[in-house]
Amino acid sequence: QVQLVESGGGVVQPGGSLRLSCAASGFTFSSYGMHWVRQAPGKGLEWVAFIRYDGSNKYYADSVKGRFTISRDNSKNTLYLQMNSLRAEDTAVYYCAKDSAISTFDPWGQGTLVTVSS
Amino acid sequence: EIVLTQSPGTLSLSPGERATLSCRASQSVSSSYLAWYQQKPGQAPRLLIYGASSRATGIPDRFSGSGSGTDFTLTISRLEPEDFAVYYCQQYGSSSWTFGQGTKVEIK
Repeated sequence: QVQLVESGGGVVQPGGSLRLSCAASGFTFSSYGMHWVRQAPGKGLEWVAFIRYDGSNKYYADSVKGRFTISRDNSKNTLYLQMNSLRAEDTAVYYCAKDSAISTFDPWGQGTLVTVSS
Repeated sequence: EIVLTQSPGTLSLSPGERATLSCRASQSVSSSYLAWYQQKPGQAPRLLIYGASSRATGIPDRFSGSGSGTDFTLTISRLEPEDFAVYYCQQYGSSSWTFGQGTKVEIK
């Protein structure tokens, strides 16, 4: 079955950097676009970034543009999110999710918590 | 950017009752790109409805979606104990994805 497992979360100081990973299995990773979505504590869902199946196109939410970079390694079935210049408001659970043909998020990983605090 | 506004914020109902959740868009959304998700505490969201009205794999038929343009509805015909959760609508358009702020369905 399709499985997505995030890792790399933790506590980082404001202005710091962190790289998240999402290991995919159970489907042909190189054929699907992938997303990162985040959820601040007690808040709703916020789409963060998308990458096409071949990495040729990347899109970002305005709130992270210029600070976050989405990438993928299809040979390793792994999605990444490089997060730089982190702010307190970036504190959230970060989920990776597989994109469907009609741009839904299905399924989702279990999430990894990023805490930006001094 | 298209803004999705969900109402009500919280719905207090009893098991067996009907739940009607609303999602209104700030501009017209293609029905093909309107979806609904369920999220339970401590869990990742789960896709319920895609294309405004199609149930995802394994979703019970008590869940149904409808609507077009700027107004969409998720209906749960008879609430089961496991349906008490937060529900989000989501749309895609112009290389951007947005979610509504969520509706919490709680036990009355």
